[in-house]
Parts: sequence; structure tokens; C-alpha cells
Amino acid sequence: DTAVSQTPKYLVTQMGNDKSIKCEQNLGHDTMYWYKQDSKKFLKIMFSYNNKELIINETVPNRFSPKSPDKAHLNLHINSLELGDSAVYFCASSSRTATYEQYFGPGTRLTVT
Amino acid sequence: QKEVEQNSGPLSVPEGAIASLNCTYSDRGSQSFFWYRQYSGKSPELIMFIYSNGDKEDGRFTAQLNKASQYVSLLIRDSQPSDSATYLCAVRSYGQNFVFGPGTRLSVLP
Repeated sequence: DTAVSQTPKYLVTQMGNDKSIKCEQNLGHDTMYWYKQDSKKFLKIMFSYNNKELIINETVPNRFSPKSPDKAHLNLHINSLELGDSAVYFCASSSRTATYEQYFGPGTRLTVT
Repeated sequence: QKEVEQNSGPLSVPEGAIASLNCTYSDRGSQSFFWYRQYSGKSPELIMFIYSNGDKEDGRFTAQLNKASQYVSLLIRDSQPSDSATYLCAVRSYGQNFVFGPGTRLSVLP
């Protein structure tokens, strides 16, 4: 059984386009996250959602917007894509009732041309 | 700004040796500490977490925490070529916000 899943796995698009990445977790966790891992492999948190409320919003451009229809899903919408947005985006989830450890999805490799 | 630092490596060890990975953090209020392994092209995978000062062992892995020195380490005994990966240290302060280090690339030579 897949715990945290993301779609698509690969996404190639042109500058200026708008795209979305979907994430779903079946672990029953109450918090979900989006991370960006750039070419230097640095993993940086972008957003987290707890019970459908944004609780962390790091200094990311407002072209990025997370949307959570329910606590099992956290989608990432990106408007007006730029070359610098090319990276691997990971979704993760954790539970406040456990030990907070985060479990990651397989990642979405976004390439902007 | 909360920071987590790791030696980027690569750290090369022969098969069967002990690999020692180190991590320092800047936030004294940090509460829990995690080690993730990331193979090339894959997602981070949780290996261990530790909350209290001292050692915590799980199979071939031992995590060591020294809050006074703001230092956490991961020892891998009997290193295998399959342990070759990037190891990420993550630190959690208040709430569920994680700060990741840049990772140390480990290479276990057969």
C-alpha cells in the first residue's frame, strides 16, 4: 500500500504556464507538507497544512499556492512558471499524536523550459 | 535563522567499517532530531529519530545526541555498499516544522 503518493512523477512545461501537483496520504496523518529540493539537493519546506489550515508559510513566491480539500490531500498549484522553479517537489505527512516524524512521497520532478 | 549543518562529503568508508555522520544545529530549543537516507532519484526515507541525550540503537544504526553541544550523529556499523546514499539530518523545534541539513553523501567501497 502506498502511504504518500504524488502525481505526476514528471512534469515538463514551458515558462509562463500554470500547473498543479497532487498529493494524497493514507496514513491518517493530520499534517501535510510541501518541500522543494533544488539541484544542490537542499530540502526546504514550502508549506504545511494542519486540519485544513495553513500553519507554516515560508517565504515562497505567491505564485505557489497550496490547496487542501481534506486532510488526506494537499495539492500544490503553481502559476506563471519560471525557470528557477525547476526542482523536485516532495509531499510529506506527519501526525501530531505520534512522534512527528515525516513520511515523504516519491517526488515530482518539475522541469521548466 | 535556524540552521542545521552537515559535512557535505563525500564520506568514503570501506565495506564493513563504521561510518560516522555528524550534524550540528543552531536552535537550542530544538526538541527532536531525525536522520533520513536518500538514494539518488528517490525520496527521503526515515532511518531513526532521537529526543533524549545519549545513544539510541536500531540494528546497525546508532544515533547519538548531545544537546549541550548541539550535536547529533549517526553511526552505521558494518557498512554495506547498499548504505551508499545521502544522509539528511533534520531538526524539529516547536510545532511540526522541520529544518533539514544539506546532507552528507556516503560512499561505501566494496
